Amino acid sequence: DAGVIQSPRHEVTEMGQEVTLRCKPISGHNSLFWYRQTMMRGLELLIYFNNNVPIDDSGMPEDRFSAKMPNASFSTLKIQPSEPRDSAVYFCATGHPTGSSYNEQFFGPGTRLTVL
Amino acid sequence: KQEVTQIPAALSVPEGENLVLNCSFTDSAIYNLQWFRQDPGKGLTSLLLIQSSQREQTSGRLNASLDKSSGRSTLYIAASQPGDSATYLCAVRLEYGNKLVFGAGTILRVKS
Repeated sequence: DAGVIQSPRHEVTEMGQEVTLRCKPISGHNSLFWYRQTMMRGLELLIYFNNNVPIDDSGMPEDRFSAKMPNASFSTLKIQPSEPRDSAVYFCATGHPTGSSYNEQFFGPGTRLTVL
Repeated sequence: KQEVTQIPAALSVPEGENLVLNCSFTDSAIYNLQWFRQDPGKGLTSLLLIQSSQREQTSGRLNASLDKSSGRSTLYIAASQPGDSATYLCAVRLEYGNKLVFGAGTILRVKS
């Protein structure tokens, strides 16, 4: 398996532009998580899905952020409009089915976002 | 609210030393605890996962222990090597739901 795939790996955009980050989970994993990592705040969970349904989005910072999982093999995290303080590394992680006794999370390589 | 603390924040040791990284959490109602490694500019690599009912897990030179009642975990690295240099993160999965709460990490440097 190729692991969790994220695209793009790097994104540089100007303030006010829309940004879309993409994630392809490991096949068979039905939990998907979006995290953000910054020097100041460390790793923070933004939102997670079980079986394509958003379960907890309490970590989403503002209405400018939205996430979707239209099917089991694809998820997007969108920021519209983007701001310089959104600059961070965004990770997608996926895991085994909820309730499994082996509930490890596997992380993608991340998308480094810079908003100028 | 669950909080995870890692001590020390940074550690520098000579090659060959055995070392211990510490992780503590405030709420013992956890489902499992996971140790990760992160290399600069890279994603997280899972090292060990300990279920709440387990006391320890071992993989090669790594050994992780868990004392759920006291809210502590340690990651023991035997015979450290320069290739072990990275940031080590611990994360607890809450008992209810799928959320992982991360510590800030320990930056390890092993000098040759």
